[in-house]
Amino acid sequence: EVQLVESGGGLVKAGGSLRLSCEASGFTFSTYSMNWVRQAPGKGLEWVSSIGGSSGFIYYADSVKGRFTISRDNAKNSLYLQMNSLRAGDTAVYYCARDTVPAEFDYWGQGTLVTVSS
Amino acid sequence: QSVLTQPPSASGTPGQRVTISCSGSSSNLGRGYVYWYQQLPGTAPKLLIYRNNQRPSGVPDRISGSKSGTSASLAISGLRSEDAADYYCAAWDDSLSGTVVFGGGTKLTVL
Repeated sequence: EVQLVESGGGLVKAGGSLRLSCEASGFTFSTYSMNWVRQAPGKGLEWVSSIGGSSGFIYYADSVKGRFTISRDNAKNSLYLQMNSLRAGDTAVYYCARDTVPAEFDYWGQGTLVTVSS
Repeated sequence: QSVLTQPPSASGTPGQRVTISCSGSSSNLGRGYVYWYQQLPGTAPKLLIYRNNQRPSGVPDRISGSKSGTSASLAISGLRSEDAADYYCAAWDDSLSGTVVFGGGTKLTVL
């Protein structure tokens, strides 16, 4: 059974940093691209970043470019999101999601809440 | 403002057929596939339709998707109370350096 479990969310002050993790199980992690998608309270979904299976490609939304860094450790079946220079607008539930092709997110984690206080 | 445009709300009574539209451009829907996600209250999104009109295992055939040019639609027939949820369309967009774009979401109410 495919499982994605996020962790690392919490309350942080504006300008601060946080590192999210997503632990994967039930599939060959290294053969899939992985993504972070976020959802601000009461708002819609916003794609944040993607990384290829072997980290061969990395993409970011303009809203986080230069502040967030996506990475993965295939030996640990884990995906990460290093978030720096956090802003109030980054407050959201952050989901990790597996994709088979871009935008085809076939499995999602339960999400982890990041709250940035100003 | 979302790159893909959806109506903010839709509604229907049990048994009815409802459709939700998704409008894009030549750099996203005009180039590739559309995907639909269902998000029940308090839960993570779930893939509902992939590659325009394909249903993942477990999704009933009363749910269907279509795409024509830069527009797409999701249809739910035989509406049931458990269909009440938020629905999002998504696509890959070629206009920037590789991005996934979502619609703003449509809240479906079953009256």
